[in-house]
Amino acid sequence: GNSVTQMEGPVTLSEEAFLTINCTYTATGYPSLFWYVQYPGEGLQLLLKATKADDKGSNKGFEATYRKETTSFHLEKGSVQVSDSAVYFCALAGSARQLTFGSGTQLTVLP
Amino acid sequence: NAGVTQTPKFRILKIGQSMTLQCTQDMNHNYMYWYRQDPGMGLKLIYYSVGAGITDKGEVPNGYNVSRSTTEDFPLRLELAAPSQTSVYFCASSYGTGLNTGELFFGEGSRLTVL
Repeated sequence: GNSVTQMEGPVTLSEEAFLTINCTYTATGYPSLFWYVQYPGEGLQLLLKATKADDKGSNKGFEATYRKETTSFHLEKGSVQVSDSAVYFCALAGSARQLTFGSGTQLTVLP
Repeated sequence: NAGVTQTPKFRILKIGQSMTLQCTQDMNHNYMYWYRQDPGMGLKLIYYSVGAGITDKGEVPNGYNVSRSTTEDFPLRLELAAPSQTSVYFCASSYGTGLNTGELFFGEGSRLTVL
């Protein structure tokens, strides 16, 4: 079956540091890949997506590239802000209209 | 826009009690979902619906029931609550073309504790 593996957290960075959160997946076929973000006390929100190999999703300074050869979709940001503190979830959409989520990575950015 | 609205936000149940988590959306989405979020475990799909009158099981349906009598509403029923059902529950909805568009709209969650 489909699965998503994220780097374990929590991750603590200073403001303006570079961020990478690793995500790898196992799936049959060619799934679409997503990053969702959950701010404290809120539901999840779509951050970015990529629907085919070599696509790059980007939003709010975050980027992730769909790498079919390494089955990866790592999230990056060049300079994090305190307001980026949240839980980040990698997810894939396979068949059967279901999203499979990773376990989430807690990010804390210190001023 | 209200988006996806869940009630209640918090609830404590005793073992064996029953309750219904309410979910309503005002975006005219065909697809609706119920997930549970356990610490360090990500989200697990409980049930989903592709339209009024149609529901299907997800990954962890045992101990839950759903109905979809209208496009807007998708309540989740817990019968005979057990401590293993202590979790945060999220309702979500999406456009009817399926998940390749990627965007699920989530409610704020309902934190349930079973003692």
